[in-house]
Amino acid sequence: SQTIHQWPATLVQPVGSPLSLECTVEGTSNPNLYWYRQAAGRGLQLLFYSVGIGQISSEVPQNLSASRPQDRQFILSSKKLLLSDSGFYLCAWSVTRGNGYTFGSGTRLTVV
Amino acid sequence: GEDVEQSLFLSVREGDSSVINCTYTDSSSTYLYWYKQEPGAGLQLLTYIFSNMDMKQDQRLTVLLNKKDKHLSLRIADTQTGDSAIYFCAESMSNTPLVFGKGTRLSVIA
Repeated sequence: SQTIHQWPATLVQPVGSPLSLECTVEGTSNPNLYWYRQAAGRGLQLLFYSVGIGQISSEVPQNLSASRPQDRQFILSSKKLLLSDSGFYLCAWSVTRGNGYTFGSGTRLTVV
Repeated sequence: GEDVEQSLFLSVREGDSSVINCTYTDSSSTYLYWYKQEPGAGLQLLTYIFSNMDMKQDQRLTVLLNKKDKHLSLRIADTQTGDSAIYFCAESMSNTPLVFGKGTRLSVIA
């Protein structure tokens, strides 16, 4: 069966420090992969999605970037974190873009 | 453009039915989904309905779809305290990422 792993679960980082969040999927090939952010009291904001290795679509301009170095690995990065980057980051995968998504357990990022 | 709207809060008494409503704008939606998010966790797919259906029932959950009005609802029968969570509605169109609503926070009062 397919599983999605996301880590770390929580992270506290100082302003200006770099960020790397990792997401991996097992049990499937060529998944569509997504990064969402959920700020406190707000809905889900799609940050990036990828339909294949090296293919990244960015939905909003921001201080973050994403990479897909392997078929089932999706990484969210920042060179210098801002206070506004705090939030709950969720990775998800799907068979196609229009299908239902399976979400990871999320990473709570607090920038201090 | 694409937009999915939900009311932000709903409060019900334990044992009552909960009805969470959602409206969407794109008539070409193929599937519509309901997700549940418990505190500090990711989203869990609860149920979905294909756009050519009017209703789908799955144990305590009933999904109603009114395509003419672009209105989707989720009814939870005999609501329990464990149903307290944020519920997200989402629509899918072919080949584009899902569009999520902002979520409805359901509070169940014992």
